[in-house]
Amino acid sequence: KAGVTQTPRYLIKTRGQQVTLSCSPISGHRSVSWYQQTPGQGLQFLFEYFSETQRNKGNFPGRFSGRQFSNSRSEMNVSTLELGDSALYLCASSLAGALSYEQYFGPGTRLTVT
Amino acid sequence: EDKVVQSPLSLVVHEGDTVTLNCSYEVTNFRSLLWYKQEKKAPTFLFMLTSSGIEKKSGRLSSILDKKELFSILNITATQTGDSAVYLCAVGYYSGTYKYIFGTGTRLKVLA
Repeated sequence: KAGVTQTPRYLIKTRGQQVTLSCSPISGHRSVSWYQQTPGQGLQFLFEYFSETQRNKGNFPGRFSGRQFSNSRSEMNVSTLELGDSALYLCASSLAGALSYEQYFGPGTRLTVT
Repeated sequence: EDKVVQSPLSLVVHEGDTVTLNCSYEVTNFRSLLWYKQEKKAPTFLFMLTSSGIEKKSGRLSSILDKKELFSILNITATQTGDSAVYLCAVGYYSGTYKYIFGTGTRLKVLA
């Protein structure tokens, strides 16, 4: 069974630009969660999508948004990039819910904002 | 303020030693506690705990949750160099929506 895949793996953007990251979950998994990992703040929960609906949300500003498609693939968008958005962005998939089922993480997208 | 605190921050042991990692939390409407192992890449799932006092085991690793005292421990027996990693604890809770808080992790180094 193929694991969680994320594209692109590395990205360099300029402050003020926007970026879209993609995540393909494990086949059959309907829940996709997104996380931001930085050396200073550690791993932080962004949001979770299930059946094309945002089900849960962390404490991030509205510049961070996402969506999920009917095939469970998910995208995360960050608008008006700030230097502090430089981080490793991880997505994780689970069968039916991040809080009730184990999650499998993808390799991450490393975003650098200059 | 909701928070998850892991201790110790780092630990160096020799192969064969037993280690105990701690995770304490303060959240409203607790739902679950999860342990992950993170080497140089993405975290890998170890355990999910929702009930107090029930030990979960996987090989040399085990974990238990105490919902009264609000903490969990992760034990690793007969440590090996391959156990060297950052061990992360995350707590799922409900606050308007369901959310996760992660601890900053315990960095374990096992020397040969």
